[in-house]
Amino acid sequence: SQQGEEDPQALSIQEGENATMNCSYKTSINNLQWYRQNSGRGLVHLILIRSNEREKHSGRLRVTLDTSKKSSSLLITASRAADTASYFCATANSGNTPLVFGKGTRLSVIA
Amino acid sequence: DGGITQSPKYLFRKEGQNVTLSCEQNLNHDAMYWYRQDPGQGLRLIYYSQIVNDFQKGDIAEGYSVSREKKESFPLTVTSAQKNPTAFYLCASSPGQGATGYQPQHFGDGTRLSIL
Repeated sequence: SQQGEEDPQALSIQEGENATMNCSYKTSINNLQWYRQNSGRGLVHLILIRSNEREKHSGRLRVTLDTSKKSSSLLITASRAADTASYFCATANSGNTPLVFGKGTRLSVIA
Repeated sequence: DGGITQSPKYLFRKEGQNVTLSCEQNLNHDAMYWYRQDPGQGLRLIYYSQIVNDFQKGDIAEGYSVSREKKESFPLTVTSAQKNPTAFYLCASSPGQGATGYQPQHFGDGTRLSIL
């Protein structure tokens, strides 16, 4: 079952620009997580935002969560070529169920 | 360094053959997971285990089997019943029993399985 849906599916920007990716989900959540996946590698956890939080920062990353709209956004500021990767959101429902991952956004940062 | 090791990196399966993918972690995590990823797709959960000697089916368990005899190990067998096994397989772990979605997951670097 796929809960999170990322938008856009693919994004291409110039180095130094900001990149914004969105995630929408259907049911109530305990938390929402963002992960990065470089080509041919495993996923790396970026940030976790709980349902009672509205915004979180980590370095050049800013995540927002709007539970009324059931959506989250990931902003990468001052992007670099090394940010080129796929980005996935994953939602955790209340209760003892595993994370559910979306299909991801492919970000290309052109130097 | 603590982490998750998946082996082999590439694996080829003949028709009618069972193959086993290895996943070992030294993070002392209780929960472990297996995902399948098809090209351009997200992750689909195959099986997960929250404690030794216990595991639950995920969304696409048919044609797969697992065991959890040791905390650090969670091997996945792709059986001959899985008719379309070509995919990228990812193993992950997370700390703590219960509430498996409440904490970040740590991933291995995957095994790419192909049919000969």
